[in-house]
Amino acid sequence: KNEVEQSPQNLTAQEGEFITINCSYSVGISALHWLQQHPGGGIVSLFMLSSGKKKHGRLIATINIQEKHSSLHITASHPRDSAVYICALNRGYGNKLVFGAGTILRVKS
Amino acid sequence: GAVVSQHPSRVICKSGTSVKIECRSLDFQATTMFWYRQFPKKSLMLMATSNEGSKATYEQGVEKDKFLINHASLTLSTLTVTSAHPEDSSFYICSARAGNYGYTFGSGTRLTVV
Repeated sequence: KNEVEQSPQNLTAQEGEFITINCSYSVGISALHWLQQHPGGGIVSLFMLSSGKKKHGRLIATINIQEKHSSLHITASHPRDSAVYICALNRGYGNKLVFGAGTILRVKS
Repeated sequence: GAVVSQHPSRVICKSGTSVKIECRSLDFQATTMFWYRQFPKKSLMLMATSNEGSKATYEQGVEKDKFLINHASLTLSTLTVTSAHPEDSSFYICSARAGNYGYTFGSGTRLTVV
């Protein structure tokens, strides 16, 4: 069983829709990261979470440490949000990240 | 925020030649740099972890003599693909831990070996 599982694998939404991407994990972590990879390949770190909730613009990330689950929400989605969203676990400071398989999001106008 | 600059973004080379990829941390000191490889439609695969001033730690199955990593300063790490072959064609990306910023990634290098 993978240490980190993401769902859904693929997601198509209409512009303006509320989007949720889920990440479940099975190991102890020091932090969880949400990353965004654009079609050109570049990766942007969206959030680093160890507890609770963070918000940045239209993006919201939550984590429930007890349930080992995190969600990434996008409000009022836009075609420019189309990208691959990756959940990654940090199992300790300086340790390598463990990556989920990614969720391919396509937002249609 | 913390920025890692990666060059080149694209490179085409002939089989048998070597290619160097650079990652520079622009506004912070990166004591540790991670090097990843990504196959099409796949997730990132960690190749090695480089620490400033010491030898890199390679993941199982990664040839250290083929993928040479040098981390000679706190702001520069390089990956050299030696004697490149077409099967080395891939997307390579670096990442560094930047304190409270979490992990910051380079923009990636798309290598094509012909």
